[in-house]
Amino acid sequence: EDQVTQSPEALRLQEGESSSLNCSYTVSGLRGLFWYRQDPGKGPEFLFTLYSAGEEKEKERLKATLTKKESFLHITAPKPEDSATYLCARGGADSSYKLIFGSGTRLLVRP
Amino acid sequence: NAGVTQTPKFQVLKTGQSMTLQCAQDMNHNSMYWYRQDPGMGLRLIYYSASEGTTDKGEVPNGYNVSRLNKREFSLRLESAAPSQTSVYFCASSDVHTGELFFGEGSRLTVL
Repeated sequence: EDQVTQSPEALRLQEGESSSLNCSYTVSGLRGLFWYRQDPGKGPEFLFTLYSAGEEKEKERLKATLTKKESFLHITAPKPEDSATYLCARGGADSSYKLIFGSGTRLLVRP
Repeated sequence: NAGVTQTPKFQVLKTGQSMTLQCAQDMNHNSMYWYRQDPGMGLRLIYYSASEGTTDKGEVPNGYNVSRLNKREFSLRLESAAPSQTSVYFCASSDVHTGELFFGEGSRLTVL
């Protein structure tokens, strides 16, 4: 069964304190690993797609990496505006249309 | 450029009532989706439409029906609402080349 597990559930950081969020997934038939950001009361917003182990993508203070079993979202010197819930999703083994989402990591960055 | 537009944004229903959530996208995407989001459970796919004229079940389709009215519009219907359908519903469309999902702002449904 396709599964995506994110950790930690919640993370509090001081402004400037770098950290990483983890997303582990069942391995078979991966069709892309996706990261989204969701602000309260809003729909998720796309950040990155990774397809193969070793791949890395960056956007401002965020860098996503992928291994054979997990993905990390590294946040370097975060700012309060980075506070949001970060969602990880994998493409389904039987269909790329059926994304499987994790339950997210709620990030709070304090000034 | 509006992206994905959902209506209504809020709705309260009584058990057994019916309603339809509307969704429209203006990005010329072929694929559209309906998700529900519940606390601690993440986003779960209800139905999707890979292209105009096709619809398929997702992870949690029971109690719902969908209609892909045309390339732009994809509606979700609750025929007889139940309290277990209290949730936030998101419509999304996707770019065929990147697989990136574009989400609407959500429809918050409460069933009493």
